[in-house]
Amino acid sequence: AQTVTQSQPEMSVQEAETVTLSCTYDTSESNYYLFWYKQPPSRQMILVIRQEAYKQQNATENRFSVNFQKAAKSFSLKISDSQLGDTAMYFCAFMTDPQGGSEKLVFGKGTKLTVNP
Amino acid sequence: DTGVSQDPRHKITKRGQNVTFRCDPISEHNRLYWYRQTLGQGPEFLTYFQNEAQLEKSRLLSDRFSAERPKGSFSTLEIQRTEQGDSAMYLCASSRYSDPKTEAFFGQGTRLTVV
Repeated sequence: AQTVTQSQPEMSVQEAETVTLSCTYDTSESNYYLFWYKQPPSRQMILVIRQEAYKQQNATENRFSVNFQKAAKSFSLKISDSQLGDTAMYFCAFMTDPQGGSEKLVFGKGTKLTVNP
Repeated sequence: DTGVSQDPRHKITKRGQNVTFRCDPISEHNRLYWYRQTLGQGPEFLTYFQNEAQLEKSRLLSDRFSAERPKGSFSTLEIQRTEQGDSAMYLCASSRYSDPKTEAFFGQGTRLTVV
């Protein structure tokens, strides 16, 4: 079974600074997808960034980038120029290759990020 | 609003009562998922539908839980004889099968409190 581990329950960062959230996963699959989702207080979860395991290039979306280390099964999220609106729970999630069937997500326990003014 | 809609947003019920939640996915999405999120945990997969067919159920989904998607549009999740351990946030998500982005869009959830 796939597992996702987020070892940082809480983190804080000053506005405009950079912060990195850690995620490791365990799987025997060779192809899969990794995601970071953001869940602001009392609001729905939204996708921040996605990485396909067969792509070696790290994904980037504006201020958000990942460091994907497939051999180490590590998938960290870097947020640059942190903004107050980045305050949220961040969940790392794993999905096996959807061609094989279910597209269910396996989530970590989350990291609560607070951006301080 | 064209996002995933869940109703009700909050539900307080007495132990032993039945409850039903509704999820309206994004209209062109043919896959629909239910997840459960307890305090301090990430969401856990419960079940998913492709159109009206329920294709997978988690072992977390006991016999007291049933989900339907009768016409391949909205879905309901019913919990019979609720227990205090059922208190959680129930999240619905939808996606479009064969969409290469395979992005799931989540609703705001239904928070269930069993007293």
